[in-house]
Amino acid sequence: GQQVMQIPQYQHVQEGEDFTTYCNSSTTLSNIQWYKQRPGGHPVFLIQLVKSGEVKKQKRLTFQFGEAKKNSSLHITATQTTDVGTYFCAVNAGGTSYGKLTFGQGTILTVHP
Amino acid sequence: NAGVTQTPKFQVLKTGQSMTLQCAQDMNHEYMSWYRQDPGMGLRLIHYSVGAGITDQGEVPNGYNVSRSTTEDFPLRLLSAAPSQTSVYFCASSYGLEVHNEQFFGPGTRLTVL
Repeated sequence: GQQVMQIPQYQHVQEGEDFTTYCNSSTTLSNIQWYKQRPGGHPVFLIQLVKSGEVKKQKRLTFQFGEAKKNSSLHITATQTTDVGTYFCAVNAGGTSYGKLTFGQGTILTVHP
Repeated sequence: NAGVTQTPKFQVLKTGQSMTLQCAQDMNHEYMSWYRQDPGMGLRLIHYSVGAGITDQGEVPNGYNVSRSTTEDFPLRLLSAAPSQTSVYFCASSYGLEVHNEQFFGPGTRLTVL
């Protein structure tokens, strides 16, 4: 089945520092999604990337999709305590895997004030 | 709209008991799925459905059954609970499968099997 590696597993930062999490796949992806899960909560959709080399921004969050559509990153500039949570990427390889969404293991972000 | 609702929120079972986790959505979404979340393992797909009457297995289907008799409901049945099924279960739905496949998650069911 579709495999996606997400790194790092944990990231501890001081408030105001930047944060980046990466997702890597061995196969070409049709698209990639990013979700955020607050402690004790449920995953919430952040964004979907579809095009090769795509870059999207949401305030302090920058999302990138690699040129080969095999990797993606989420970068947060100047973290705040409200950024605490687990960030997941999710991929759908399409083709015969149509309908199966595979999530990365997640990156747990803690922000120290 | 209530979005995706799940019941119960918490459940404790004894080994061998059976139960059904309920999931409903009021967004007229065709695609629904069940995930389990365990520490350090992200979200793993159990079963999914692309429409009423159609279901398929995900990554970890053993020990679970599903059915999709209506667009709105997608219950997950544990046939004979085992301690290994202690987990947090999330139901999710989406409008489509490719372009418009943003997943909307329910609040989760926290299940403990003793």
